[in-house]
Amino acid sequence: NAGVTQTPKFQVLKTGQSMTLQCAQDMNHNSMYWYRQDPGMGLRLIYYSASEGTTDKGEVPNGYNVSRLNKREFSLRLESAAPSQTSVYFCASSELARGTYEQYFGPGTRLTVT
Amino acid sequence: GEDVEQSLFLSVREGDSSVINCTYTDSSSTYLYWYKQEPGAGLQLLTYIFSNMDMKQDQRLTVLLNKKDKHLSLRIADTQTGDSAIYFCAPRDNYGQNFVFGPGTRLSVLP
Repeated sequence: NAGVTQTPKFQVLKTGQSMTLQCAQDMNHNSMYWYRQDPGMGLRLIYYSASEGTTDKGEVPNGYNVSRLNKREFSLRLESAAPSQTSVYFCASSELARGTYEQYFGPGTRLTVT
Repeated sequence: GEDVEQSLFLSVREGDSSVINCTYTDSSSTYLYWYKQEPGAGLQLLTYIFSNMDMKQDQRLTVLLNKKDKHLSLRIADTQTGDSAIYFCAPRDNYGQNFVFGPGTRLSVLP
């Protein structure tokens, strides 16, 4: 049981390049999330998916797109990377358990855009 | 929307108690979570408290909630070097599955 996995762990892009961050979970959770973490700002929600086939914008969706490929996988795409997107990206999944939602996080992808 | 505030840094000596504070603005927050992030890792759920509780104890962790003042605290007894990490407060309302994270408090434990 690997939990939440993310690839790649590190990535350097030039301004204008595109890339897709991959996320998969093996806990059969319905809900999945993408966050970005910047120093002193906590985690900010980019997009989330409450179930397979649905996606919704979070607090900071501009410059990103997502795909909920199936129940296991939720990918985040940067179509034209900008230096402001330099950040650490976390994927998470959650399910109702013991009366509350517990989120499980992946190890993160550290992205630098030059 | 919800605003969550935390002090950014806290230093304590090994063996002392640590108290990490959090204030939030949305009174409809039903569950309030504490997450721990160790260097280079994702976030790990530490504990949570339901809004109809004042206190929850879990081994070395004590969570106190003052719902009137919208103030949450996490006390770590007998703090160890392995407790050095960033601690995030995250309220969640009862209507959605989305969490709002505070900026995180970096706890440094000095030998």
